[in-house]
Amino acid sequence: AQSVTQLDSQVPVFEEAPVELRCNYSSSVSVYLFWYVQYPNQGLQLLLKYLSGSTLVKGINGFEAEFNKSQTSFHLRKPSVHISDTAEYFCAVSDTGGFKTIFGAGTRLFVKA
Amino acid sequence: SQTIHQWPATLVQPVGSPLSLECTVEGTSNPNLYWYRQAAGRGLQLLFYSVGIGQISSEVPQNLSASRPQDRQFILSSKKLLLSDSGFYLCAWSILLAGDALETQYFGPGTRLLVL
Repeated sequence: AQSVTQLDSQVPVFEEAPVELRCNYSSSVSVYLFWYVQYPNQGLQLLLKYLSGSTLVKGINGFEAEFNKSQTSFHLRKPSVHISDTAEYFCAVSDTGGFKTIFGAGTRLFVKA
Repeated sequence: SQTIHQWPATLVQPVGSPLSLECTVEGTSNPNLYWYRQAAGRGLQLLFYSVGIGQISSEVPQNLSASRPQDRQFILSSKKLLLSDSGFYLCAWSILLAGDALETQYFGPGTRLLVL
C-alpha cells in the first residue's frame, strides 16, 4: 500500500529566504509523485509532477522538487519565497498513473515580511 | 479549456438534515471524477471516485453516497448529516490524454460544509 508523510505540519519563513518542504513516500511499485498548492478557501492547483527521467523537476511559481529513490523522498524547494507563497502544500503519490492519488496531510507555509 | 464547478460554496446544515453537493465539469468527455474531504488540519481523504456514468467506487464506509447521473456531473449526498461530516469537500477530475503517461487531477473550488 502507498502512503505519504509530510514531515512538517507548519513551516514559517521570512520573505526572500529559501524554503524546503519535506515529503517521504512508501510504495511497493514505481510511483508518480506530485506537489499541489492550496490557497485559502480554494481548491488545489498542481505545482509539479514527476513521472520519470530527470530527478529534478521544475514547476510553476519558481518551485522545484527532487526525486530521491534511495531515500524515498520528494522534497519541494524554492530559493527565495514571497509573501504570496503563503499557502498549504500537499505532496501526493500514485502508482496508477495519476488515477487514485494518495495525498499527504499537508504543510502550511507561512511567509513573513 | 476545461473548467470544474462546485456549488454551493458554503453550506451550514443541522445535524440529521440531508445533503446534496454538486460538481460539474466542462470541456472534456468521460473524465474520471473524485470526491475528497479535507477536515481541519488534516490532508485530503478520497471518498468516492467514478470512471463512468453510474460507476461509483467508495473508498471509505460512511453515511455519504455519490452518484454520477451524467458524464460530467458528480453528486455527493447524505440522508442524515452527522457533526463529523463537517469539512471542506473537493471535487476533482482527471483524464489520460493521448500521448500522456500520467493523469493529473484538477480540483474545483470546494464546498465548505458546517454541520451544527
